[in-house]
Amino acid sequence: EVRLVESGGGLVQPGGSLRLSCSASGFTFSGHSMNWVRQAPGKGLEWISYMTGPGNVIYYADSVKGRFTISRDNADNSLYLQMDSLRVEDTALYYCAKDHQGAFGRGILESWGQGALVTVSS
Amino acid sequence: IVLTQSPDTLSLSPGERATLFCRASQTITNDFLAWYQQKPGQAPRLLIYATSNRATGIPNRFSGSGSGTDFSLTISRLEPEDFAVYYCQQYDYSPPITFGQGTRLDIK
Repeated sequence: EVRLVESGGGLVQPGGSLRLSCSASGFTFSGHSMNWVRQAPGKGLEWISYMTGPGNVIYYADSVKGRFTISRDNADNSLYLQMDSLRVEDTALYYCAKDHQGAFGRGILESWGQGALVTVSS
Repeated sequence: IVLTQSPDTLSLSPGERATLFCRASQTITNDFLAWYQQKPGQAPRLLIYATSNRATGIPNRFSGSGSGTDFSLTISRLEPEDFAVYYCQQYDYSPPITFGQGTRLDIK
């Protein structure tokens, strides 16, 4: 059974940093591209970052480019999101999501974690 | 690419047929459109990908269709567990992946 578990969320002041982790199990982690998607309270879904299975291709949404960094450790079956220069508008539930189409899949989000809540507030 | 879903809210009764719409601001050339269901307090769940392919474990009362800029999700006979928010998503022009704003399916 595929399982994705996010951790590392919390309350941080504007301008601060936070690192989210996503621990994966139940599938060959290195064989799937991974994404981060967020959802502000009461709002819709916003894709924010993508990384291929080998980690050689990365994309970011314009809203987080230059502030957030995605990475992965395939030996440890883990995905990360380093979030710097956080803003109030980054407050959201952050989901990691596994792609359906393998190491270079680009958009079918087949499995999702339960999310990690990030609150940016002074 | 912007996805616009309609209606924003749909109120129906169990047993009825539901049709949800998703319009793209540009032609989606490879039918790279998916649908997700999200219930309160839960993560989204993939229902349909590539316009009309049901994801693993999705009941056959869910079906997707469309082409170009106009797509739809149909639930043939609503079950009580189907009342949720539904999002369409395109991955034809990814990155970025984009989602519609969502349609809330309420019990009438």
